[in-house]
Amino acid sequence: GEDVEQSLFLSVREGDSSVINCTYTDSSSTYLYWYKQEPGAGLQLLTYIFSNMDMKQDQRLTVLLNKKDKHLSLRIADTQTGDSAIYFCAENHRGGYQKVTFGTGTKLQVIP
Amino acid sequence: DTEVTQTPKHLVMGMTNKKSLKCEQHMGHRAMYWYKQKAKKPPELMFVYSYEKLSINESVPSRFSPECPNSSLLNLHLHALQPEDSALYLCASSQEGTGIPYEQYFGPGTRLTVT
Repeated sequence: GEDVEQSLFLSVREGDSSVINCTYTDSSSTYLYWYKQEPGAGLQLLTYIFSNMDMKQDQRLTVLLNKKDKHLSLRIADTQTGDSAIYFCAENHRGGYQKVTFGTGTKLQVIP
Repeated sequence: DTEVTQTPKHLVMGMTNKKSLKCEQHMGHRAMYWYKQKAKKPPELMFVYSYEKLSINESVPSRFSPECPNSSLLNLHLHALQPEDSALYLCASSQEGTGIPYEQYFGPGTRLTVT
């Protein structure tokens, strides 16, 4: 099966930048996503990137995609305490566009 | 309205009970999804409905029975569950078509405990 790996935990100080990394395995993925999950809540789509792009910026968020290394990252500028959550990367699959596999999740802790 | 609603928020049921989880969206999305999420794990896809027809079943046990009565509603019928089925059940919806990013909008989930 396809595994999407992330580091488990990241701790940053408020105001610093956060970088969350993700390694995926399905080279046929057409879209890659970043979702945020706060405690006791559902997932919120933050942003996505099409596989023929290598960068996408959306306000404080910057997504970088390295297709050769199958590496995806999410940079959050000026991290705030409200950014504390679990972040999941995800990829869709050419065989079934609706089918999305989520990464293992990174818990971001922002220290005031 | 970009909201997906789920009821109930919490559910405790015995192994011999029959219950249903409900999900509703009014965004005109024609793809709807059920996921199961265990603590500290990513969501796992269970079912996908496309235009009210079941398009993906990820080999889910028959004690879980999905239903899509119309384009806005998605149900998950539960019968004879096991304690290991205790989890957060998430519903999501997205647009449907080719060459689109399938941005999924998630509900807040139903926290299910099987005793």
